[in-house]
Parts: sequence; C-alpha cells; structure tokens
Amino acid sequence: KAGVTQTPRYLIKTRGQQVTLSCSPISGHRSVSWYQQTPGQGLQFLFEYFSETQRNKGNFPGRFSGRQFSNSRSEMNVSTLELGDSALYLCASTTGDRVEQYFGPGTRLTVT
Amino acid sequence: AQTVTQSQPEMSVQEAETVTLSCTYDTSENNYYLFWYKQPPSRQMILVIRQEAYKQQNATENRFSVNFQKAAKSFSLKISDSQLGDTAMYFCAFTGGAQKLVFGQGTRLTINP
Repeated sequence: KAGVTQTPRYLIKTRGQQVTLSCSPISGHRSVSWYQQTPGQGLQFLFEYFSETQRNKGNFPGRFSGRQFSNSRSEMNVSTLELGDSALYLCASTTGDRVEQYFGPGTRLTVT
Repeated sequence: AQTVTQSQPEMSVQEAETVTLSCTYDTSENNYYLFWYKQPPSRQMILVIRQEAYKQQNATENRFSVNFQKAAKSFSLKISDSQLGDTAMYFCAFTGGAQKLVFGQGTRLTINP
C-alpha cells in the first residue's frame, strides 16, 4: 500500500496570507490527524477528522481549520499567517478503530 | 491533561552498543497506549514500537524493546546492537485512544561508527 502523502512538501508564504495543505491517507484509513512541529513547542496536535467530521481539536486559534472529503483526503487551512506559523506540518492516518498512526513526510511551511 | 517527558535531549553511542532512551508520562487514565516514533533527518515519522497499558508483557520488535513500568509511569526504549541507521530523533508518545497523540520533546540519538 502507498503511504500517507502530503502536498506540497515545501511552501513559502508571506505574513497575512493564507495557505492550504493537503493530505491523502493510506488507502482504507478513514481517520486523519494533523500535527504541528516546531523547535520551540515540539509536536502539537491540531485536529483529527473521521468520516468527514472533526472528532478532536487541539489548542490552536481559529485561524487553523481543516476538513475531510468523502474519499478521506484532508486539507488544513491557515489564514492570516504569522511568523510563528512557520513549522513542519505532519499528517497521520489510521483506520479509525486502531490507535497507531502512520505519518506522511510533512509540509515545511515558512512564513516571511 | 496528559504529559510526556523525555529527560535526555541527546545521546550518543558507538555502533553495536546497546542504548536505552527514557520516557515518563503522567495520566489519570487506566487504559491507554504508548509509542516510540523515530524521526530520521528525512523528517518522516516512523512507528518503532507500541505498548498497550493493559498488557503486562513488554513489547519487542526485533532489536527494539521496551521496559514498561505502569506503576512508575515509565516507558523506556532499548535498542540493541545499534546501527548507523538508528541515528534519529526518537519521540515517546501517549494516547488515551482518542486518535490524539501527546509527544515528548524528543531525544536526539547519534550512532557513531
């Protein structure tokens, strides 16, 4: 099976802009979670989607949002970008009834 | 809230040696799962090993094994016969089953030739 894929792999944006990141889970996986990784804060949970519904949400401002499509692909959107949003954004998928998550290669977002 | 603590920011050993990475966690839940993930320089997070809290037997995956001490809330990872390819950041992670992983700050492990 193909692994979790994320696009784009690298992105440079300017403060105030918005950005959309995409994640395609492993075939058959219906749960998709998003994490932010920064040197200062480490790995932090953003949100999880299952069957097009947000099931869990981390402590991030409303500028961070996401959605999931009927084919389980997920997108996350960050509006009004700030310098502190520069990070590696990781997507992970699982079947929904299992706990181990499988990660994609990440999207490196740089905000200037 | 659950927390995960990795007290060793960096470790370095010689190839073929055995190394143990430490992890402690705090939770009031009784049923939960613990993981070790590896993140090599490529940044791809790779699942190394998992442990269910209700299982007393320590998990083993080839050269990787854990020492799970539930009462002490300790979950260490032992890597035997270490190889150059084991060089990576290692993250300890916890979940109560809600598909939300709580990670430690990581341990940077370097295997020297």
